[in-house]
Amino acid sequence: RKEVEQDPGPFNVPEGATVAFNCTYSNSASQSFFWYRQDCRKEPKLLMSVYSSGNEDGRFTAQLNRASQYISLLIRDSKLSDSATYLCVVIVGNFNKFYFGSGTKLNVKP
Amino acid sequence: NAGVMQNPRHLVRRRGQEARLRCSPVKGHSHVYWYRQLPEEGLKFMVYLQKENIIDESGMPKERFSAEFPKEGPSILRIQQVVRGDSAAYFCASSPDIGWKTEAFFGQGTRLTVV
Repeated sequence: RKEVEQDPGPFNVPEGATVAFNCTYSNSASQSFFWYRQDCRKEPKLLMSVYSSGNEDGRFTAQLNRASQYISLLIRDSKLSDSATYLCVVIVGNFNKFYFGSGTKLNVKP
Repeated sequence: NAGVMQNPRHLVRRRGQEARLRCSPVKGHSHVYWYRQLPEEGLKFMVYLQKENIIDESGMPKERFSAEFPKEGPSILRIQQVVRGDSAAYFCASSPDIGWKTEAFFGQGTRLTVV
């Protein structure tokens, strides 16, 4: 079983829509959680960390559910520029080993 | 304040040649990770190194691939006798040694094309 699993999408949504992605992780010892964004043919960049209490950054809200072992990303009022692949990342164990999901592709259309 | 630097950005090799990919982490970062990304696919973990040590190489193919992170100088991912299937983007990331809530910073990647 993969450490981190995501729905690959694509999610095709109109501008202004609200869209949510989930990501499940298999190891209950997972310590830290992140969402990264990757634009086509570019390097991934940190979008936001995910804390137990949940956190919000503008139109983006991240939640962690330890009991069900998933994290979520909610994007409100989608913009064309939000079109990208969103990668779920988990750190497991005693070493700083980052496990990446395969990514969820988002297409925001006019 | 340079980020993660990878070179070359693009590398073309003929089948059977060797490819050497370099990664200079963010200054002060002691953890380096290599990932491979095939076209239209997600990032696949290859190897995790700390200075002079390989911590986890569970994602490295058993043959032809090796990685190092010497005390001085960049981390090197070496692919011997390349084949067409090695064509991919290879990303390097680094992180500091400051505990759990630490992010990884990525380089711009090396795009390897085997012809």
